Amino acid sequence: AQSVTQLGSHVSVSEGALVLLRCNYSSSVPPYLFWYVQYPNQGLQLLLKYTTGATLVKGINGFEAEFKKSETSFHLTKPSAHMSDAAEYFCAVSDYGGSQGNLIFGKGTKLSVKP
Amino acid sequence: NAGVMQNPRHLVRRRGQEARLRCSPMKGHSHVYWYRQLPEEGLKFMVYLQKENIIDESGMPKERFSAEFPKEGPSILRIQQVVRGDSAAYFCASSPQGLGQETQYFGPGTRLLVL
Repeated sequence: AQSVTQLGSHVSVSEGALVLLRCNYSSSVPPYLFWYVQYPNQGLQLLLKYTTGATLVKGINGFEAEFKKSETSFHLTKPSAHMSDAAEYFCAVSDYGGSQGNLIFGKGTKLSVKP
Repeated sequence: NAGVMQNPRHLVRRRGQEARLRCSPMKGHSHVYWYRQLPEEGLKFMVYLQKENIIDESGMPKERFSAEFPKEGPSILRIQQVVRGDSAAYFCASSPQGLGQETQYFGPGTRLLVL
């Protein structure tokens, strides 16, 4: 069965500092991987996704993630944090074992940005 | 606004009542997914539907929960005889073809509180 692990339920960085949110997955087949962001009391918005091809994926708001098959990781980074980045971030993988369409989510990482 | 719409945004029910949550997918999308988010947890898949068909309900509780996506009108998630443990945020997502690599677009969610 596929699963997603996000290390660190809370991450705090200073404004202007590097943001690194960790995501590891388990999958017996090449995965489709996603990062979503959720602001308080809102739905999820796609930041970026990996399907095939280039392993470094660029998304919205200056975020990017690198798919590393050997490490089964898909960590999310941003060179310089902004106050508006404070939100909860979810890593997800498509469920091949199920109907292929539904997503399996990690438990999320809440990002705080200090001024 | 051509995004995924959910209503109501907030719903309060007393134990034993019924809750009906509605989801209108994005225009042109015929695949709908329901997820539940419990406090401090990630999103958990519940059910995947196409028009007039339930494709995968492996994440649905066996009792009291049902879902439909009729030919006309929104998808509905129905919870009968609600209990306090049903209190959660329920999110609907839609995609064009139900493929694993597609982006799922999420609605703003319905926050259910059971008193």
